[in-house]
Amino acid sequence: AQTVTQSQPEMSVQEAETVTLSCTYDTSESDYYLFWYKQPPSRQMILVIRQEAYKQQNATENRFSVNFQKAAKSFSLKISDSQLGDAAMYFCAYSPTGNQFYFGTGTSLTVIP
Amino acid sequence: NAGVTQTPKFQVLKTGQSMTLQCAQDMNHNSMYWYRQDPGMGLRLIYYSASEGTTDKGEVPNGYNVSRLNKREFSLRLESAAPSQTSVYFCASGGRDRYEQYFGPGTRLTVT
Repeated sequence: AQTVTQSQPEMSVQEAETVTLSCTYDTSESDYYLFWYKQPPSRQMILVIRQEAYKQQNATENRFSVNFQKAAKSFSLKISDSQLGDAAMYFCAYSPTGNQFYFGTGTSLTVIP
Repeated sequence: NAGVTQTPKFQVLKTGQSMTLQCAQDMNHNSMYWYRQDPGMGLRLIYYSASEGTTDKGEVPNGYNVSRLNKREFSLRLESAAPSQTSVYFCASGGRDRYEQYFGPGTRLTVT
């Protein structure tokens, strides 16, 4: 079974500081994609960042970066210079095929002014 | 360019009633998906359609049917709603790279 685990139901960070959200996954596949999605109170799911498993280089999108450890099956999200608009639920997701997607249970991020 | 649209935004049903959730995308994507989101859980895939004319089961298909009406539209039907189907339903479509998904705004469904 494919599973994605986010062990931090809630996290908080001071504005302008850095926070890291954790995600682990279970798979027997060698090629797959990993994602972080943001869900603000509006409920809209927004893709934050994507990592291809065959790429060793960690993905980066502006203030968002990942630490991808393939052997450990770990995929953490680092948010630098946190802003009030970063407050949201963050979901880690895994896809082995591009059709089947598996999501974690989410981490609620609070940004403290 | 509306992206992915879903109707209705909210719906209340009685147990045993039926309804269809509508989804349309204007991005010319081949793949479309239906998810449900329950409190304390992430999104779970109900059904997906990799291309017009094909549909496949996801993780939680029981109690649902789908129709890929054309390339733009992918509907989800509840034939006999149950309280366990109370959830927020999201439709998504797959971009040029199928691994990238674009989500609709969701439908909040309550079954009493």
